[in-house]
Amino acid sequence: RKEVEQDPGPFNVPEGATVAFNCTYSNSASQSFFWYRQDCRKEPKLLMSVYSSGNEDGRFTAQLNRASQYISLLIRDSKLSDSATYLCVVKNDYKLSFGAGTTVTVRA
Amino acid sequence: SQTIHQWPATLVQPVGSPLSLECTVEGTSNPNLYWYRQAAGRGLQLLFYSVGIGQISSEVPQNLSASRPQDRQFILSSKKLLLSDSGFYLCAWKVDGYTFGSGTRLTVV
Repeated sequence: RKEVEQDPGPFNVPEGATVAFNCTYSNSASQSFFWYRQDCRKEPKLLMSVYSSGNEDGRFTAQLNRASQYISLLIRDSKLSDSATYLCVVKNDYKLSFGAGTTVTVRA
Repeated sequence: SQTIHQWPATLVQPVGSPLSLECTVEGTSNPNLYWYRQAAGRGLQLLFYSVGIGQISSEVPQNLSASRPQDRQFILSSKKLLLSDSGFYLCAWKVDGYTFGSGTRLTVV
């Protein structure tokens, strides 16, 4: 079983729409959780950390459900610039485990 | 400021040739450094990590090796490349979260 699993998508949404997707992780002892954004042929960049109580950063909302071992990301009022692959990342001790990514395409 | 440099950006190498990718960081001392590989359509896979000079831990057995000759330098090497070594290689460091270098896209032909 993969440590982190994501729906690869793609999610094709119009500008202004809301899009949400999840990832699941296998290690119940995982300590920290993140969403990274990766543009085509570029390095991943930290989008936001994910906290147990849920957190927002502008149009982005992240949720963590430790009991069910899943993490979610919701994007409101989608912009063309939100088109990217979103990587779910779980930290165990020193190691980051990455999902394969969820591709989001926002169309005009 | 804290920055991470990685080169070259792209590389095309024949099977059986050697490899050397370099990563350097600036603006910090004794960082934890990591080498990741991203194969097409797959998640990033941790290859090596280092907590200090000469200290290398390997995550995945393969024909790659890593070295840390200086505090801020991390090198990924291979004596003989395989086709399966093709991928996007990323150096990362941990500074209030994990920051990646711009990556090296390696194609083994």
